[in-house]
Amino acid sequence: ELKVEQNPLFLSMQEGKNYTIYCNYSTTSDRLYWYRQDPGKSLESLFVLLSNGAVKQEGRLMASLDTKARLSTLHITAAVHDLSATYFCAVAPQGGSEKLVFGKGTKLTVNP
Amino acid sequence: ETGVTQSPTHLIKTRGQQVTLRCSSQSGHNTVSWYQQALGQGPQFIFQYYREEENGRGNFPPRFSGLQFPNYSSELNVNALELDDSALYLCASSLRAIGVAFFGQGTRLTVV
Repeated sequence: ELKVEQNPLFLSMQEGKNYTIYCNYSTTSDRLYWYRQDPGKSLESLFVLLSNGAVKQEGRLMASLDTKARLSTLHITAAVHDLSATYFCAVAPQGGSEKLVFGKGTKLTVNP
Repeated sequence: ETGVTQSPTHLIKTRGQQVTLRCSSQSGHNTVSWYQQALGQGPQFIFQYYREEENGRGNFPPRFSGLQFPNYSSELNVNALELDDSALYLCASSLRAIGVAFFGQGTRLTVV
C-alpha cells in the first residue's frame, strides 16, 4: 500500500529565508504532484513531476523529484507572507491509476 | 478558477440522514474523483468514475456511493450519515491517466 509522508508538518519562517519541505513515498509511482491549500479553500495545483530528476520552478517555489530515493522536495526561496498556506504532496501509484495518495500537508507560516 | 464546480458549498445534516453532493467537471475532462478531507488532514480518496463506470475505490464503506452522468458530471451520495462524515468533500476532474487533477472548491458537510 502506498504511503506518503511529509515533513515538517508545521513550518514557521521569517520573510526572506529559505527552506525545504520533504515528501517521501513508499512504492514506485507514476507521478507526483504538489498542491497549495489556503484556509477554507480548495486545492491549487502547483507542480506535476513525471520523471526522475524532474525539476520545476514557479516564482519562489521549486520542486524536484528523485524516483530512486522516492523523494520529492519543495524548496522555498526568500519566503514572503503570501506563501503562507498548507502544501500537500500527492502521489499517483504506478499503473496509470488516478487515485492520488496525499501526505498530511505542511502548514507554512511566513512571518514579517 | 479551475472550471470544476461543486454544489452546495455548505451543508448541515443530522446523523442518520442521507446527502447528495454534486460536481460539474471541467470541460473536456472524462474522469471525476471524489476525496474526503477531514479537518487538519490530507484528502482521502473515496472513488473515481471514468465514462460513467466506477474505476477504483478507497477504504470507504458501501454507504458512500456515486454516479457519473453522460456529460461527465458526478454525484456523491452518503447514506446513514455519521458524525465522522463531517468533512470537506472535494471533487477533482482530469483527462484519463494524463496530467493534473483539478479540484473544485469543495462542499463542507457538517453532521450534527
